[in-house]
Amino acid sequence: GENVEQHPSTLSVQEGDSAVIKCTYSDSASNYFPWYKQELGKGPQLIIDIRSNVGEKKDQRIAVTLNKTAKHFSLHITETQPEDSAVYFCAPLGGGSQGNLIFGKGTKLSVKP
Amino acid sequence: EPEVTQTPSHQVTQMGQEVILRCVPISNHLYFYWYRQILGQKVEFLVSFYNNEISEKSEIFDDQFSVERPDGSNFTLKIRSTKLEDSAMYFCAWGTSGTQYFGPGTRLTVL
Repeated sequence: GENVEQHPSTLSVQEGDSAVIKCTYSDSASNYFPWYKQELGKGPQLIIDIRSNVGEKKDQRIAVTLNKTAKHFSLHITETQPEDSAVYFCAPLGGGSQGNLIFGKGTKLSVKP
Repeated sequence: EPEVTQTPSHQVTQMGQEVILRCVPISNHLYFYWYRQILGQKVEFLVSFYNNEISEKSEIFDDQFSVERPDGSNFTLKIRSTKLEDSAMYFCAWGTSGTQYFGPGTRLTVL
């Protein structure tokens, strides 16, 4: 089955700095790559996603890049703000699956004012 | 995006009891999912449900679990005889083509 690794497990940045979280996966058949943000006591919130026919996607301060050859994709947050503090999960869709998102273990991002 | 509501927000039960967790979508969708998250751990897929049938399930989703959409609206997850290790947050999600949106979750505590 799909093996998903996420790094780092914790990340602390100063407000205004950039943050990058990397996710590696093992299933070359995976073709959908989302990132979720989870705040304390809430459900995961989809913040950005990318499909395998695209190398990069950007939405304001958030971007995702995909390297299918190396089987990794990354979340980039620029101009971080305290409200970006949360746990971020990558969750690639298992190859051949219609709905089985395989979540990484999460990255706890802390943005210090 | 459209939301789902989940009830109850917190369920406390005794080991061996049956629990039913409910998910109510705002819009009429065909694809639904259940995930669970043990405290401090990653989110784990349980089951996907399409057009009133299970389309995929994980190893976690054993005979203790069942899902149904009894009235075409509520989407339920039933755990027949709860165990201590079933204590977790349970999230309902909806979506298509992989894109999934999660509900606020139900916290299940098994004593």
